[in-house]
Amino acid sequence: DAGVIQSPRHEVTEMGQEVTLRCKPISGHNSLFWYRQTMMRGLELLIYFNNNVPIDDSGMPEDRFSAKMPNASFSTLKIQPSEPRDSAVYFCASSLGQGHTGELFFGEGSRLTVL
Amino acid sequence: KQEVTQIPAALSVPEGENLVLNCSFTDSAIYNLQWFRQDPGKGLTSLLLIQSSQREQTSGRLNASLDKSSGRSTLYIAASQPGDSATYLCAVPNFGNEKLTFGTGTRLTIIP
Repeated sequence: DAGVIQSPRHEVTEMGQEVTLRCKPISGHNSLFWYRQTMMRGLELLIYFNNNVPIDDSGMPEDRFSAKMPNASFSTLKIQPSEPRDSAVYFCASSLGQGHTGELFFGEGSRLTVL
Repeated sequence: KQEVTQIPAALSVPEGENLVLNCSFTDSAIYNLQWFRQDPGKGLTSLLLIQSSQREQTSGRLNASLDKSSGRSTLYIAASQPGDSATYLCAVPNFGNEKLTFGTGTRLTIIP
């Protein structure tokens, strides 16, 4: 299996622009997670889906952030409008089972820089 | 609230030595415990997952133990190699909220 695939790997954009990050989970995994990592705050869970349904989005910072999972093999995280404080590495992860009860596999991340 | 601590924050050892990384957690009501490594600029790579009913798991030169009653886990690396240099993180999901709490990490450097 190719693992969790994320795109783009790097994104540089200007404040106010829309950013869309994409994720393809491991085939057969039914839980998908979006994390954000910064030096100051470490790893933060933004949202997680189980069987394509958002279960917990309490970590989504504000209304500028939205996530979708239209099918079992694709998810997006959108930031609109983007702000400099959104600069971080965004990771997608997937697992088999409910929530974090199964082994978690991470993608390589999308490094976002908002100028 | 679960708190996960890893000590030391950084560790440097000569190549070939065996070493132990520590992970402590405050709430023992956990599903499992997972060890990851993270290389600079990369994602987290799963190393070992220990279920709450297990005492240890082994993969190659790695051995992870779990003592729920004392809230501790250790990751033992045998015959360390320069390629083992990375940041090692432990993480636990709690019964009831299913969220994963990550440890503070140990940055390991193996000196050739």
